[in-house]
Amino acid sequence: NAGVTQTPKFQVLKTGQSMTLQCAQDMNHNSMYWYRQDPGMGLRLIYYSASEGTTDKGEVPNGYNVSRLNKREFSLRLESAAPSQTSVYFCASIPGRWAPEAFFGQGTRLTVV
Amino acid sequence: DQQVKQNSPSLSVQEGRISILNCDYTNSMFDYFLWYKKYPAEGPTFLISISSIKDKNEDGRFTVFLNKSAKHLSLHIVPSQPGDSAVYFCAASGAGGTSYGKLTFGQGTILTVHP
Repeated sequence: NAGVTQTPKFQVLKTGQSMTLQCAQDMNHNSMYWYRQDPGMGLRLIYYSASEGTTDKGEVPNGYNVSRLNKREFSLRLESAAPSQTSVYFCASIPGRWAPEAFFGQGTRLTVV
Repeated sequence: DQQVKQNSPSLSVQEGRISILNCDYTNSMFDYFLWYKKYPAEGPTFLISISSIKDKNEDGRFTVFLNKSAKHLSLHIVPSQPGDSAVYFCAASGAGGTSYGKLTFGQGTILTVHP
């Protein structure tokens, strides 16, 4: 049982390049989330998907887009990467809003140069 | 403005003693609180949670206390073990309705337990 799987684990991008971070969960959870973690700031919510077919902005959505491909998969896309997007990105999922104890993936460390 | 704050960036304790990690929040709409533990190069792992209708929740060596009037919660680890050394994040969630499980995190506290 893998839980929440993120790919890639590490990535270096040049300013202006695009990329997609992949996330998949095998727990049949309804809701999925993307967070970023920066030094001294904890984790901040970028986008979330309360259920399959819906997505909504979180606290820091600028520069990102998301796709809830199906119930298992939730991807995060950077269309034109900027150095300010250098961060560690975490995907998470929960069964539903009645149980907000989120399960997290291992993270993607992204560096934009 | 930081709605969830952990004012101690780090805490160092001796093995076998009590570790107390603190967290303050400002948003009175938060009604569910969680603690996560994070090791380097891994994702956060859920540790313990508490609903706003309670003031205490225990799970083995871990106890979370909630003081709603002070908007303060704390995590007690007794006895502390070297394997508890990690970053601890406090997080809060709003009422079920439109919150959809969204979490607001504190900055984290680095706990070091010395043998």
